Amino acid sequence: GAVVSQHPSWVICKSGTSVKIECRSLDFQATTMFWYRQFPKQSLMLMATSNEGSKATYEQGVEKDKFLINHASLTLSTLTVTSAHPEDSSFYICSARGYSLSYEQYFGPGTRLTVT
Amino acid sequence: AQKVTQAQTEISVVEKEDVTLDCVYETRDTTYYLFWYKQPPSGELVFLIRRNSFDEQNEISGRYSWNFQKSTSSFNFTITASQVVDSAVYFCALSEANDYKLSFGAGTTVTVRA
Repeated sequence: GAVVSQHPSWVICKSGTSVKIECRSLDFQATTMFWYRQFPKQSLMLMATSNEGSKATYEQGVEKDKFLINHASLTLSTLTVTSAHPEDSSFYICSARGYSLSYEQYFGPGTRLTVT
Repeated sequence: AQKVTQAQTEISVVEKEDVTLDCVYETRDTTYYLFWYKQPPSGELVFLIRRNSFDEQNEISGRYSWNFQKSTSSFNFTITASQVVDSAVYFCALSEANDYKLSFGAGTTVTVRA
């Protein structure tokens, strides 16, 4: 149980375009979802926390107009990278937790974004 | 403020050697959770263990063991008789009870050579 999926697993886009990444909890209701970014050979940095039905809370230094997060249902959150630039190229990972779960966060497999 | 320090950037061992990964944390909260995750080359994070601040019992799971010491704010992880499949980046993380956010350490890259 407690499986989280991400789609796509990798994406290449041109500079200036927007990219949407989906994060789904497959077998539980995710009341809270988290989005992380990981640059090569670096750690995971929390970008934002989203609760179903409410606006996401962004960490300091993360541009909310650039990284649009929507958590419209209890099983789906999306991250849209708007007007992507090469410096946005990174590994994006989501995680989810639900009421019935303990303090676990269940992580998706990640999405590798390359902006050319 | 939270902070997790993994001082070892890379560790290289020969198969069957033991390897210990250090993790030191900082928090002002009395209730918190500590985690270890494994990230193999595929990138997907694999959960290894969660410990709450009130449970200082050491734990062993197969070849893995963890030593939690509140007195030194450390939560170290040992792999006994390492195998090539243990090669990965290992992250220690901290979460305070009131917001569930995870703060990750910088990670330690473990390379096990055959």
